[in-house]
Amino acid sequence: KQEVTQIPAALSVPEGENLVLNCSFTDSAIYNLQWFRQDPGKGLTSLLLIQSSQREQTSGRLNASLDKSSGRSTLYIAASQPGDSATYLCAVIALIFGKGTTLSVSS
Amino acid sequence: GAVVSQHPSWVICKSGTSVKIECRSLDFQATTMFWYRQFPKQSLMLMATSNEGSKATYEQGVEKDKFLINHASLTLSTLTVTSAHPEDSSFYICSASLGTGYGYTFGSGTRLTVV
Repeated sequence: KQEVTQIPAALSVPEGENLVLNCSFTDSAIYNLQWFRQDPGKGLTSLLLIQSSQREQTSGRLNASLDKSSGRSTLYIAASQPGDSATYLCAVIALIFGKGTTLSVSS
Repeated sequence: GAVVSQHPSWVICKSGTSVKIECRSLDFQATTMFWYRQFPKQSLMLMATSNEGSKATYEQGVEKDKFLINHASLTLSTLTVTSAHPEDSSFYICSASLGTGYGYTFGSGTRLTVV
């Protein structure tokens, strides 16, 4: 069963500092990975989407990387600002396979 | 870009009553939408997958008779919490995707308080 872990659960940094958020997943058979931001009492805002064939995506001060083989993704935030304060969530979209059906067609 | 609108943003209801939450895809059609529940300081838990024109698929442990899902059109899915109780108080969020490779867009969530 796919499990997604984010460590640390909480992080405090002074303004201006660069920081890295970590996300790990147990099954490397993912379709893509998405980073979200959630402000208190609000829905989720998509930050970056990384397709399984990609290794990183950048948007402004944000850079997300993906290493499928090691089951890890990082979100790098440059020059952090008070407005960056929020909960950051990573989500993997996985390809989950059934056990398969072996078909034999007789002649 | 894909926009998902969710209403209401918050609702307070009495125990025993039913509450309907709407999730709309504003600028795209969504054959599939997802409903999540989030408790304070916890992550999102998938409740069910809403399929246009067919029955929803519920996750294990989610009561389908309590959380009724209707996906009657390609742009609207509704979640009805029936006979609500205080333990149903939570934050409910829906999401949808433009399609393969586009990622997921979430609604703004609905804070349900049952008193």
